[in-house]
Amino acid sequence: EVQLVESGGNLVQPGGSLRLSCAASGFTFGNYWMHWVRQVPGKGLVWVSRIDSGGSSTAYADSVKGRFTMSRDNAKNTLYLQMNSLRVEDTATYYCARDPGAGLDPWGQGTLVTVSS
Amino acid sequence: SYELTQPPSVSVSPGQTARITCSGDALANQYTYWYQQKTGQAPVLVIYKNSERPSGIPERFSGSSSGTTVTLTISGVQAEDEADYFCQSSDSSSSNYFFGTGTKVTVL
Repeated sequence: EVQLVESGGNLVQPGGSLRLSCAASGFTFGNYWMHWVRQVPGKGLVWVSRIDSGGSSTAYADSVKGRFTMSRDNAKNTLYLQMNSLRVEDTATYYCARDPGAGLDPWGQGTLVTVSS
Repeated sequence: SYELTQPPSVSVSPGQTARITCSGDALANQYTYWYQQKTGQAPVLVIYKNSERPSGIPERFSGSSSGTTVTLTISGVQAEDEADYFCQSSDSSSSNYFFGTGTKVTVL
């Protein structure tokens, strides 16, 4: 079974840092692009970033560019999102999702990041 | 900026047809994808590349495209289809991805 499990969400103060992880299983992780998408509770989906299968190419939403860094360890089947200079508006549930070239499928269950003093 | 506009809500009686639109200038040249998100759950892909249906998605879900508007159609709506639906596309110039504003489907 293809599965993605996020972890690392927590309460952090504005200006702080956090690293999210996404553990993949049930498929050849290193063959797929991956994405992070976030969602404020009760609001819409917002794309955050993506990384290619080898980890050499990344892209970011303007709202996080320069503050967030996406990476992956294909040997560990794990995706990461390093979040620095966190702002209150970064508060959201963060989902990782696989990109087989035909939409984002599947998604993990999400991990909640709360930025508050 | 890249914008994908959806109606905030659609209400439909069981057995009827629900149509959800997604509009944006870039959709004329890019594929669109649709996701269903039920309360408290992660999104699920229901349509890819405008009109293709992933395995396991019921046949009552279909997609179509015309110019800068794409449409998700749910034929013979069932109570279990009550959810939020989001369209998604990408910007070829920036390699960025974008989601629509979302539509809440209510089954009366």
